[in-house]
Amino acid sequence: GENVEQHPSTLSVQEGDSAVIKCTYSDSASNYFPWYKQELGKGPQLIIDIRSNVGEKKDQRIAVTLNKTAKHFSLHITETQPEDSAVYFCASYRDDKIIFGKGTRLHILP
Amino acid sequence: GAGVSQSPSNKVTEKGKDVELRCDPISGHTALYWYRQSLGQGLEFLIYFQGNSAPDKSGLPSDRFSAERTGGSVSTLTIQRTQQEDSAVYLCASSLVVGGPDEQYFGPGTRLTVT
Repeated sequence: GENVEQHPSTLSVQEGDSAVIKCTYSDSASNYFPWYKQELGKGPQLIIDIRSNVGEKKDQRIAVTLNKTAKHFSLHITETQPEDSAVYFCASYRDDKIIFGKGTRLHILP
Repeated sequence: GAGVSQSPSNKVTEKGKDVELRCDPISGHTALYWYRQSLGQGLEFLIYFQGNSAPDKSGLPSDRFSAERTGGSVSTLTIQRTQQEDSAVYLCASSLVVGGPDEQYFGPGTRLTVT
């Protein structure tokens, strides 16, 4: 079955710097890759997603890239701010099943 | 509009007791998902519903876990004879449709502690 690997598990960056989180997936038929942000005490919330027919998508300070050949996708956060501190989950979706990565805890340092 | 709600927000129970966790999805969402999140871990898929039926129960950890959904709306996750390893946050999510990529909207979760 599908397997999603996410790295790193923890990431600390200085406020204003960029953060990059990477995920790999195993099922080449996966066609949808969302990213969720989970703040303390809350459920995950979708922040950006990308479909398999697109290589890159950007929304303000957040961007996601997808390399279908290598089966990996990445989340890029630029000009990080304190409110970016959270746990981020990548996911891979095929048909009606979604598999999540184990998450990355992002700390924004003052 | 109202999002996904879950109750209770916190539940402390003694080992061996049964618990019921409730999820109210967004109105009109046909798909409903249950996940388990252990401390510092990712999201473990448990079960999903398409309407009132559950095509995929493969994620349920044991036969102590069961779930049902009635009226295409509210869902209940039941854990019988709880064990300490059942302690986790149980998250529910709903989406508009099943069978295609679609955003899942998550509830705030129920934190279950088995003592």
